Amino acid sequence: GAVVSQHPSRVICKSGTSVKIECRSLDFQATTMFWYRQFPKQSLMLMATSNEGSKATYEQGVEKDKFLINHASLTLSTLTVTSAHPEDSSFYICSAGRGGGDYGYTFGSGTRLTVV
Amino acid sequence: EDQVTQSPEALRLQEGESSSLNCSYTVSGLRGLFWYRQDPGKGPEFLFTLYSAGEEKEKERLKATLTKKESFLHITAPKPEDSATYLCASNTGFQKLVFGTGTRLLVSP
Repeated sequence: GAVVSQHPSRVICKSGTSVKIECRSLDFQATTMFWYRQFPKQSLMLMATSNEGSKATYEQGVEKDKFLINHASLTLSTLTVTSAHPEDSSFYICSAGRGGGDYGYTFGSGTRLTVV
Repeated sequence: EDQVTQSPEALRLQEGESSSLNCSYTVSGLRGLFWYRQDPGKGPEFLFTLYSAGEEKEKERLKATLTKKESFLHITAPKPEDSATYLCASNTGFQKLVFGTGTRLLVSP
């Protein structure tokens, strides 16, 4: 149980275009999902908390107009990187939890974004 | 500011050579200390959650322990398939996780 599916796994886009990444909880409902960013050999940095039916909460320093988050249902959150630039190239990972505890927080398999 | 620090940064072991990974944390109001395993190009895979000092949890060759200031991940008789990056994270409230930078473990046959 507690499976989180993330799509696509890899995407290459041209500078200036937008890219959408999907995160789905397959066997549970997630009122809250989290989006992280990870640079090579670095740890995961929380970007934003996605709340079903309401606005996302962004961490300090994260541009909300560049990283648009939509959590329209209890099983789907999307992250759209708008007007992407090469510096946005990174590994993006979502997670969802059933309140943590012994289930932990389940992570998606990640999306490798390369902006050329 | 809540911080999680992991050491060593990288560790190379021979198969069967037991060792421990360290995770030090300074957080106000710990609501869980998590251990994850991450393989290259993949998302983290949940291993353990610890809540209070003195707590221990085991899974196959791994055992996690917790004190008031640090957590250890003990690896007993590791195998090459245990090679991965091991991450620890603290839950400081509102389900937010603060991650350490990880320990890259390489187990040679």
